[in-house]
Amino acid sequence: EAGVAQSPRYKIIEKRQSVAFWCNPISGHATLYWYQQILGQGPKLLIQFQNNGVVDDSQLPKDRFSAERLKGVDSTLKIQPAKLEDSAVYLCASSGLGSYEQYFGPGTRLTVT
Amino acid sequence: AQSVTQLDSHVSVSEGTPVLLRCNYSSSYSPSLFWYVQHPNKGLQLLLKYTSAATLVKGINGFEAEFKKSETSFHLTKPSAHMSDAAEYFCVVSGKSGRRALTFGSGTRLQVQP
Repeated sequence: EAGVAQSPRYKIIEKRQSVAFWCNPISGHATLYWYQQILGQGPKLLIQFQNNGVVDDSQLPKDRFSAERLKGVDSTLKIQPAKLEDSAVYLCASSGLGSYEQYFGPGTRLTVT
Repeated sequence: AQSVTQLDSHVSVSEGTPVLLRCNYSSSYSPSLFWYVQHPNKGLQLLLKYTSAATLVKGINGFEAEFKKSETSFHLTKPSAHMSDAAEYFCVVSGKSGRRALTFGSGTRLQVQP
């Protein structure tokens, strides 16, 4: 069974530029999560989707971050414009409907200079 | 709201000695609790989970954790450390049914000395 795929693995941009990350969850997983992990901290939830609907985006900085999961499968997370404090690893995870167990992708390491 | 506190940011043990990583949780409902491990430049891997069944939970690679409601603790243990256990460990609590996003602790870095 293929795991959660993410791309790119690494990205370096200048502040005020825009960037997008892509995630393809495990086949059949209804729930998809995006987390932000700042160096030295635990991951923090940004947004949770169930199929193509948003369940929780209370911690998403909506003035600059956006995410979509249009067909209920893969998802993109966008930052526009980026700030220095957005430097972090962005993790995507997925889980089956009703399951507590989440499977994580390898993450995208973003550096904003 | 739920939260977890990992009591040690760094733990150093010698190879072959026991490992204890401490975690306390706070939750307004009966929580599901997890331990995840993160090796350098690798993704998060689930070690074990507690979801209201047996309070002593066995995981992969010889790790165990015991859920103690009276102490609101979920400490991770292993009888004998191996060099390959060196990594970052996260104690995690799940949200309520329907909003099962995970709340992570700040992590404990385990060093294993030869």
